[in-house]
Amino acid sequence: GAVVSQHPSRVICKSGTSVKIECRSLDFQATTMFWYRQFPKQSLMLMATSNEGSKATYEQGVEKDKFLINHASLTLSTLTVTSAHPEDSSFYICSAIEGTGPYGYTFGSGTRLTVV
Amino acid sequence: SQQGEEDPQALSIQEGENATMNCSYKTSINNLQWYRQNSGRGLVHLILIRSNEREKHSGRLRVTLDTSKKSSSLLITASRAADTASYFCAPYTISGGGADGLTFGKGTHLIIQP
Repeated sequence: GAVVSQHPSRVICKSGTSVKIECRSLDFQATTMFWYRQFPKQSLMLMATSNEGSKATYEQGVEKDKFLINHASLTLSTLTVTSAHPEDSSFYICSAIEGTGPYGYTFGSGTRLTVV
Repeated sequence: SQQGEEDPQALSIQEGENATMNCSYKTSINNLQWYRQNSGRGLVHLILIRSNEREKHSGRLRVTLDTSKKSSSLLITASRAADTASYFCAPYTISGGGADGLTFGKGTHLIIQP
């Protein structure tokens, strides 16, 4: 089946630094990738949608300059949390799909970001 | 896509019992999907039911859909400790454009007691 690899699984960084999270589709070409954020015992909040070769579309309230998304190829999307602060600490999850849905949404295993 | 609301928010049962959780949504859909999330992990797709289907089975899972009530239920039979997880529904409406991101409610946190 379709596999999405997300890396790293955990990262601790100092306040003010930037962190990059990678999301790779291993056995399919991901037309679209999605990035989510999840707080403890809360739902997944959709942050942005990215299509290969074009700018990401951010959900309302998500700072695009804070969360930089690059979808340079059909198998790789990256999320960079710039100038991270403790309030950015969260669980980030990516999802990828080949085609336009509704079948085949595959999720990565998530990245636990802790900003100290 | 619209957000579903799962109910109950928490459910604790004994191993071997059946677990039922519900999902409600607000506007018409093309299909509804159920996902499982183990603690600290990503989501795993469980089952998709189309709007013209009323019931669907997959192993120990049984999903129903009532479009008149805009609700769905997920039944896990003969629960196991490994079923302990959060369960989310994702009502889906085809938009005609590119793929839309799924949106989720707070989920049902299921605990299977040994």
